[in-house]
Amino acid sequence: ETGVTQTPRHLVMGMTNKKSLKCEQHLGHNAMYWYKQSAKKPLELMFVYSLEERVENNSVPSRFSPECPNSSHLFLHLHTLQPEDSALYLCASSQDTYEQYFGPGTRLTVT
Amino acid sequence: GQNIDQPTEMTATEGAIVQINCTYQTSGFNGLFWYQQHAGEAPTFLSYNVLDGLEEKGRFSSFLSRSKGYSYLLLKELQMKDSASYLCAVSPGNTGKLIFGQGTTLQVKP
Repeated sequence: ETGVTQTPRHLVMGMTNKKSLKCEQHLGHNAMYWYKQSAKKPLELMFVYSLEERVENNSVPSRFSPECPNSSHLFLHLHTLQPEDSALYLCASSQDTYEQYFGPGTRLTVT
Repeated sequence: GQNIDQPTEMTATEGAIVQINCTYQTSGFNGLFWYQQHAGEAPTFLSYNVLDGLEEKGRFSSFLSRSKGYSYLLLKELQMKDSASYLCAVSPGNTGKLIFGQGTTLQVKP
């Protein structure tokens, strides 16, 4: 499935590092999403972009900074993360509010 | 508040039928989704219900009762490859936001 791609697939970073996660969708959708998936917890919505404008920010700490330069690309900039931020970060896209298609995720470990 | 409840784990036998329930309490309702997620993989879309009733798609069916805040996913003729987590999610509005339950891990045994 290559509809939604994410890079890198795995990332290990220290608490003082700055890194970025990238997501690209090839489906012609107009909405993109960032989710966090931690063990034993529900999938947690972080941000929603619709037509390149942020329409949802689900009380996410400022150490996570999203960027949506166009309808096909979505970034999540990370800085001064905490160990509890270690999780699987999933990107998704949809056409309007219909079913969302997920990318394979980035497994992030903060040391 | 927003709440989605589903059982944590279920076990069923190959060839059998299993029903996974989901109850929800949300500030609004703009549809309910079911996703399948195999271990180590991304969730994949299974079904969408916005009106009451049963939606059938091959071996999978999904039911919705808005008045009861209740849905179920029915899997027929279970196969080993159906072993996965099944995620129930509700859209409370029209921004695309989804609220997910914690998922039901289904184990299919021979």
